[in-house]
Amino acid sequence: EDQVTQSPEALRLQEGESSSLNCSYTVSGLRGLFWYRQDPGKGPEFLFTLYSAGEEKEKERLKATLTKKESFLHITAPKPEDSATYLCAVRTMDSSYKLIFGSGTRLLVRP
Amino acid sequence: EAQVTQNPRYLITVTGKKLTVTCSQNMNHEYMSWYRQDPGLGLRQIYYSMNVEVTDKGDVPEGYKVSRKEKRNFPLILESPSPNQTSLYFCASSLLGAFQETQYFGPGTRLLVL
Repeated sequence: EDQVTQSPEALRLQEGESSSLNCSYTVSGLRGLFWYRQDPGKGPEFLFTLYSAGEEKEKERLKATLTKKESFLHITAPKPEDSATYLCAVRTMDSSYKLIFGSGTRLLVRP
Repeated sequence: EAQVTQNPRYLITVTGKKLTVTCSQNMNHEYMSWYRQDPGLGLRQIYYSMNVEVTDKGDVPEGYKVSRKEKRNFPLILESPSPNQTSLYFCASSLLGAFQETQYFGPGTRLLVL
């Protein structure tokens, strides 16, 4: 069964303390892996799409990387405004175009 | 401005009273989908559509219907809502086949079924 697992469930960081969020996946074949940011009560906001192992994408303090089994979202020198839930999702290579989400990592950055 | 809109944003209804949540996008995207988000369960896909008149089930389609008669609209229909359909619903759209697929989400519809 296709599965996406995110860890940790929650993460507390001090402002400036870099860390990484993990998204591991077990799928029959990967069509694409997506990262989103979600603020409370709002819709997810797209961050990155990764398609193949070794690929990396950057945006401000965020950097996403992809291997054959997992993806990392690295947060460098985070600020309080980076506090949010970060979601990972996978689209598989089977005939469907379903999107499977992980349960998310709640990030809190304290000043 | 590129956006996905949903209406209503908040809805309280009673068991069995049919309702429709509308979704519209202004980006000419082929792919549209509906999700529900519940505490501890994350986002789960209800239905998706790859183009006009083409729809398919996601992971939790029971109790829901959709239609895609126009490219921009993808309404979610609850024929006979039940309390277990109380949830936060999101509509989303994206351009399939783009080198960098970007999925845009609507602001959400919070539904309470009594």
